[in-house]
Amino acid sequence: LAKTTQPISMDSYEGQEVNITCSHNNIATNDYITWYQQFPSQGPRFIIQGYKTKVTNEVASLFIPADRKSSTLSLPRVSLSDTAVYYCLVGDIRIKAAGNKLTFGGGTRVLVKP
Amino acid sequence: DTGVSQNPRHKITKRGQNVTFRCDPISEHNRLYWYRQTLGQGPEFLTYFQNEAQLEKSRLLSDRFSAERPKGSFSTLEIQRTEQGDSAMYLCASSLALGASNQPQHFGDGTRLSIL
Repeated sequence: LAKTTQPISMDSYEGQEVNITCSHNNIATNDYITWYQQFPSQGPRFIIQGYKTKVTNEVASLFIPADRKSSTLSLPRVSLSDTAVYYCLVGDIRIKAAGNKLTFGGGTRVLVKP
Repeated sequence: DTGVSQNPRHKITKRGQNVTFRCDPISEHNRLYWYRQTLGQGPEFLTYFQNEAQLEKSRLLSDRFSAERPKGSFSTLEIQRTEQGDSAMYLCASSLALGASNQPQHFGDGTRLSIL
């Protein structure tokens, strides 16, 4: 699985947009980019997944440039409850790809302040 | 709630005892994964099942660990002769492998194991 690099921590304020950039220079052709959110004492929660360009759902947007060597998770108008650890993962989601096990890094700790 | 369910949520035991955790995946999901997470770290893969077949085990899964998924539904993870280093959060995830791709994994809230 491609290795990812993301900031260790970020601070923001309520109502602001938070953008977390993840580097994955060795991403493979068949790799997808997936983001998870984790609150203390809870399991990771799937946020969004994409392959290229832009993906948007009800909670976040994912921007992926043409070279796919990085991606940016955008959280619009964050609230205090968005304080969490955010993990960026890359991996092949094809059925035959080694069980599709997830390899987590250390994540980005986002603190939203009032 | 139709998410992944794990029991118990917390387990405290003495070193040397055996413990067993249960995971009930999302009902239509045919893949089930176990991960371990220690404080301040991301989850680490332990093993996964496709239906009832255990298809991959991590080197982290020592001989004291065993996992089962009878009938391809719920799964159990047993740790025998627990050690201090086994203290961690044990997470279960499930996904639907459909067609050519594996859908995103959905996690339970884990079982936190504390070894005294």
